[in-house]
Amino acid sequence: GAVVSQHPSRVICKSGTSVKIECRSLDFQATTMFWYRQFPKQSLMLMATSNEGSKATYEQGVEKDKFLINHASLTLSTLTVTSAHPEDSSFYICSAPLGREQFFGPGTRLTVL
Amino acid sequence: AQSVTQLGSHVSVSEGALVLLRCNYSSSVPPYLFWYVQYPNQGLQLLLKYTSAATLVKGINGFEAEFKKSETSFHLTKPSAHMSDAAEYFCAVSPPNTGNQFYFGTGTSLTVIP
Repeated sequence: GAVVSQHPSRVICKSGTSVKIECRSLDFQATTMFWYRQFPKQSLMLMATSNEGSKATYEQGVEKDKFLINHASLTLSTLTVTSAHPEDSSFYICSAPLGREQFFGPGTRLTVL
Repeated sequence: AQSVTQLGSHVSVSEGALVLLRCNYSSSVPPYLFWYVQYPNQGLQLLLKYTSAATLVKGINGFEAEFKKSETSFHLTKPSAHMSDAAEYFCAVSPPNTGNQFYFGTGTSLTVIP
């Protein structure tokens, strides 16, 4: 099956710094990728849709200036958490569609001290 | 509006017992339906999917699910639970003509008692 990778798998940063998370489709191209946030013991919350060559589409309530998304190529989307604060600590997961199926990355655990 | 309901946020079964995880959806048009499993600190792994072919879908690890249009349900079952089945399970729907948009249920945590 198709593979989606995320890097890093874990990151710890100080409050006020920015963190970049990469999502790559390894063996297929994706004009669209999705970014989710997951709190402990909760479901995935769609944050935004990343579109190759155009601006990302953000879900209601998600700050676009806080969570910068760049879809640099057909295999790479990045999520940058700017000026991170402890409340941004969470598990971030990306996915890329192939046909009618979504392939998920392994997730990135962000901890902001 | 699309929604997915998973009844029971926590389900406990004994090892060897039947596993039944419930999922109901609301959609005016039958969507594509998926079940995913998530182990701690990992991404989601596809268990099985319904894509308008056979209504009884067999997946990995002995799981299967049946699409029932009249009940708008897609319940996940496994005849005999194994300790390794303990995980979080998510039902998801992808309505047609939504550009691969997925809507997730709230998840069901499965505990297997030895």
